[in-house]
Amino acid sequence: GEDVEQSLFLSVREGDSSVINCTYTDSSSTYLYWYKQEPGAGLQLLTYIFSNMDMKQDQRLTVLLNKKDKHLSLRIADTQTGDSAIYFCAEGSGYNKLIFGAGTRLAVHP
Amino acid sequence: DTGVSQDPRHKITKRGQNVTFRCDPISEHNRLYWYRQTLGQGPEFLTYFQNEAQLEKSRLLSDRFSAERPKGSFSTLEIQRTEQGDSAMYLCASSRGQTPNYGYTFGSGTRLTVV
Repeated sequence: GEDVEQSLFLSVREGDSSVINCTYTDSSSTYLYWYKQEPGAGLQLLTYIFSNMDMKQDQRLTVLLNKKDKHLSLRIADTQTGDSAIYFCAEGSGYNKLIFGAGTRLAVHP
Repeated sequence: DTGVSQDPRHKITKRGQNVTFRCDPISEHNRLYWYRQTLGQGPEFLTYFQNEAQLEKSRLLSDRFSAERPKGSFSTLEIQRTEQGDSAMYLCASSRGQTPNYGYTFGSGTRLTVV
């Protein structure tokens, strides 16, 4: 079946790097996504990676994909207080229906 | 392009009542999705439309739930005989194509509270 798992909570100091991890089960997923959700707001697409890629970098964001282990990570460099939010990993299956993890709450402290 | 609009933003209803939510997707998007998000969880897929055709329904969508997209534009999600377990955020999303390059945009959601 389809399942996406994430650790629930991460706390980092402002200026440090954050690494959020995710594992998924559906090896047929074409795309893997990272979404950000701030309180009271909808889901914002941060970045995505195609399943035949190992890495994607987009400004402060770096996505690493280990397809063999079905492991995805999101690294946020120079983490700021504005990065505090819930981060969701999702896999795209079929016609782009998304399967989400439960989300990782990132807390950034001074 | 004003994004995906959902109405209402909040709905409080008594158990047993019927509720209906509306979603207006981005105008050129032919695909429309409904998701449900409960506290502390990620969104769960409910159903999907391509134009006016409802192509998939999750097993989460019990007989009390019905979704329509009559003209291939806006969509409605109705819940009949609401139960306390229906309390959640109901999210709508739309996209133009099958890849992320075409965009997959979420609305801000409708928060349902069943008392």
